[in-house]
Amino acid sequence: DAGITQSPRHKVTETGTPVTLRCHQTENHRYMYWYRQDPGHGLRLIHYSYGVKDTDKGEVSDGYSVSRSKTEDFLLTLESATSSQTSVYFCAISEAGKGTEAFFGQGTRLTVV
Amino acid sequence: ELKVEQNPLFLSMQEGKNYTIYCNYSTTSDRLYWYRQDPGKSLESLFVLLSNGAVKQEGRLMASLDTKARLSTLHITAAVHDLSATYFCAASNTGNQFYFGTGTSLTVIP
Repeated sequence: DAGITQSPRHKVTETGTPVTLRCHQTENHRYMYWYRQDPGHGLRLIHYSYGVKDTDKGEVSDGYSVSRSKTEDFLLTLESATSSQTSVYFCAISEAGKGTEAFFGQGTRLTVV
Repeated sequence: ELKVEQNPLFLSMQEGKNYTIYCNYSTTSDRLYWYRQDPGKSLESLFVLLSNGAVKQEGRLMASLDTKARLSTLHITAAVHDLSATYFCAASNTGNQFYFGTGTSLTVIP
């Protein structure tokens, strides 16, 4: 299994509070991604990173920010959590170059009440 | 931005039968991936398809790619209960962004 650790694995938070999810990799892969998974939507890309301090928006970036200060860590912050952000969040990593698939972490189940 | 569509969304099949899951994508891509997800678990990579006409097989699953039609298929042969899961296809672009279909929930009935 790819060395990807997400923390926390489960979290319940209140509407309006900031929340940070962490993704840590031990593979030294260049690319890191945050996805959310919701029934009927599959996986949707929130933000991704192509290097330290290099990040960009995905399909559903509103209300989320990211940071990558080290190769191995990619943080996802919900600036002010809303109930619509209740979801399962997956971190993924990928090496550069054609044909390298994405490997996924175990996921974080976030509930905003 | 790549759009990826899968069908069917739900598939209930009897053991021993064959079926195909279809994956269409919107713009040119020669990088197509299939994943499996068991309930409450993460995604597991099944196949990587990188060129027109590519075919990969593992056990009862076979995946193929037609880049001209922007279509990939996942064929299930003689289904068994252990294949029950949700299957996702994904396409990526030259920027290494992966775009996923909505998934096909497969249930194999004895």
